Amino acid sequence: EVQLVESGGGLVQPGGSLRLSCAASGFTFNSYWMSWVRQAPGKGLEWVANIKEDGSEKYYVDSVKGRFTISRDNTKNLLSLQMNSLRAEDTAVYYCARMAYNFWSGYGIWGQGTLLTVSS
Amino acid sequence: DIQMTQSPSTLSASVGDRVTITCRASQSISNWLAWYQQKPGKAPNLLIYKTSSLESGVPTRFSGSGSGTAFTLTISSLQPDDSATYYCQQYNSYPLTFGGGTKVEIK
Repeated sequence: EVQLVESGGGLVQPGGSLRLSCAASGFTFNSYWMSWVRQAPGKGLEWVANIKEDGSEKYYVDSVKGRFTISRDNTKNLLSLQMNSLRAEDTAVYYCARMAYNFWSGYGIWGQGTLLTVSS
Repeated sequence: DIQMTQSPSTLSASVGDRVTITCRASQSISNWLAWYQQKPGKAPNLLIYKTSSLESGVPTRFSGSGSGTAFTLTISSLQPDDSATYYCQQYNSYPLTFGGGTKVEIK
């Protein structure tokens, strides 16, 4: 079964750091771009970051550039998001996501999400 | 950045109705558009990719059309299980962007 399982969410003070992880299983991890998508409470979806199959290309939404770093370990089938200088507006459910197919096709596989709350 | 504008933001329709949701891009995205359904507390579910390709396992009452800057998601005969929020997403260029969502309610 194809599966993505996020972990690492929690309560962090403004200015703090946190690392989210996403464990992938049931597919050839190093054959897919991987992404993080977030959703603030009661709000819509926001794409956060993408990483290429081999990690050689990374893209970010402007609001997290310089603060968040997406990475992957293809030996462990693990996707990560290192988040620094956290702000209240980063509060959201963070989803790990994969394209449905190994071409650009929309996100067909999602994790269950992990909640990050940034608050003092 | 490409802005995605969905309309309406909410709609209420009866079981069996034909429902259409519109998504407009601020510039051409060719046919690089996906549609998702999201129910409360759940991750989104891919319905349509590349404007009109139905994702495996998705009921055939869902269909997508359009090109360039104007796109539609149609539910041919609304079912009770279709009560959800629907999002469009462009993946033509970075940053990838979603529409603001359309909440579909059953009368």
